[in-house]
Amino acid sequence: DAGVIQSPRHEVTEMGQEVTLRCKLISGHNSLFWYRQTMMRGLELLIYFNNNVPIDDSGMPEDRFSAKMPNASFSTLKIQPSEPRDSAVYFCASSFGSSGGTQYFGPGTRLTVL
Amino acid sequence: QQQVKQSPQSLIVQKGGISIINCAYENTAFDYFPWYQQFPGKGPALLIAIRPDVSEKKEGRFTISFNKSAKQFSLHIMDSQPGDSATYFCAAKGNYGGSQGNLIFGKGTKLSVKP
Repeated sequence: DAGVIQSPRHEVTEMGQEVTLRCKLISGHNSLFWYRQTMMRGLELLIYFNNNVPIDDSGMPEDRFSAKMPNASFSTLKIQPSEPRDSAVYFCASSFGSSGGTQYFGPGTRLTVL
Repeated sequence: QQQVKQSPQSLIVQKGGISIINCAYENTAFDYFPWYQQFPGKGPALLIAIRPDVSEKKEGRFTISFNKSAKQFSLHIMDSQPGDSATYFCAAKGNYGGSQGNLIFGKGTKLSVKP
């Protein structure tokens, strides 16, 4: 079985540009989590969906960040406009169930904003 | 109350030694405590997890010890091997309100096992 799939794996962009990160959930999973990892702040939860509905977006840093689930198996995280402080590794993870279950992480997207 | 405090930040252990990583939490509503292992360039992966109704869980060389009254839990890696060198994250999850699925992660411990 394929795990969580993220694309692109690496993204280098210039400040002010729009960045879209993509995530495909494991088949049958219905919860989706977006995380950001930096040396300074560790692993931070940005937003969490259950059955395509955003449940908790309190970790989204500001209005420049938006996340969607256009269908049950796919999600996007968009940053517009991007800033150098957004440079980080972004992970998505999926799980089955609304209150538990192991979270399976994707390989991450390393974003560099120049 | 939502924090999980992890220590140490980094740990160097000789091959064959015991690695111990500690975590502490405040929120008594947490009811699931997993440990994740992350290798460079990879996403975190579940290593072992415990619920607060038991005080210890062992899987191979990996053991979680859980102290509910002290609100602390720890990961012990017995007979540490160079292949165990990775970053380890403790986490906690509560089954309450709108955050039923959220994991709260510690800051991570970078483990290096020297041959």
